[in-house]
Amino acid sequence: EAGVAQSPRYKIIEKRQSVAFWCNPISGHATLYWYQQILGQGPKLLIQFQNNGVVDDSQLPKDRFSAERLKGVDSTLKIQPAKLEDSAVYLCASSPRTSGYYNEQFFGPGTRLTVL
Amino acid sequence: AQKVTQAQTEISVVEKEDVTLDCVYETRDTTYYLFWYKQPPSGELVFLIRRNSFDEQNEISGRYSWNFQKSTSSFNFTITASQVVDSAVYFCALSATGGGNKLTFGTGTQLKVEL
Repeated sequence: EAGVAQSPRYKIIEKRQSVAFWCNPISGHATLYWYQQILGQGPKLLIQFQNNGVVDDSQLPKDRFSAERLKGVDSTLKIQPAKLEDSAVYLCASSPRTSGYYNEQFFGPGTRLTVL
Repeated sequence: AQKVTQAQTEISVVEKEDVTLDCVYETRDTTYYLFWYKQPPSGELVFLIRRNSFDEQNEISGRYSWNFQKSTSSFNFTITASQVVDSAVYFCALSATGGGNKLTFGTGTQLKVEL
């Protein structure tokens, strides 16, 4: 079974530029998550989708971050414009569960973003 | 509010030593799940174990064992006879209804196993 795919793996941009990340979850997984992991910290949830609807985006900086999940499968996360503090690894995860506390999530390799 | 504390930032051991990674959690929910994930240098988070709040039995899987104690709100992870391949960052995480069922991670413990 193929795992969660993410691209690109690395991205370097100047501040105020725009950037987009792509995630393809495990086939059949209804729930998709985007996390931000700043160096030396644990991952922090940015947004959670269930199928193509948003379940939780309370920690997404909506003035500059946006995300969508087309047709309930692939997802893109965009930052516009980027700030220095956005330098981090962006992790995508998917889960077969659609509700409840049981949250076994399968993570992709992440995209390492450096903002100069 | 949910919170997970991993007080050990970095641990270094010599191969074959046993090592315990500490995890203390806070939640007001009575039903919750606790997790451990491993993050090797490649960056991908690897699921190790899930434990629900009603099951306080300790679990052993090969060289890995977990000690869950609700009385002290701790979920510690022990690696027996550590190996160089165990070198990674280990994260403890919590999922509870009060947190919207999302995973709340600790700050991680960097484990270095040397020859």
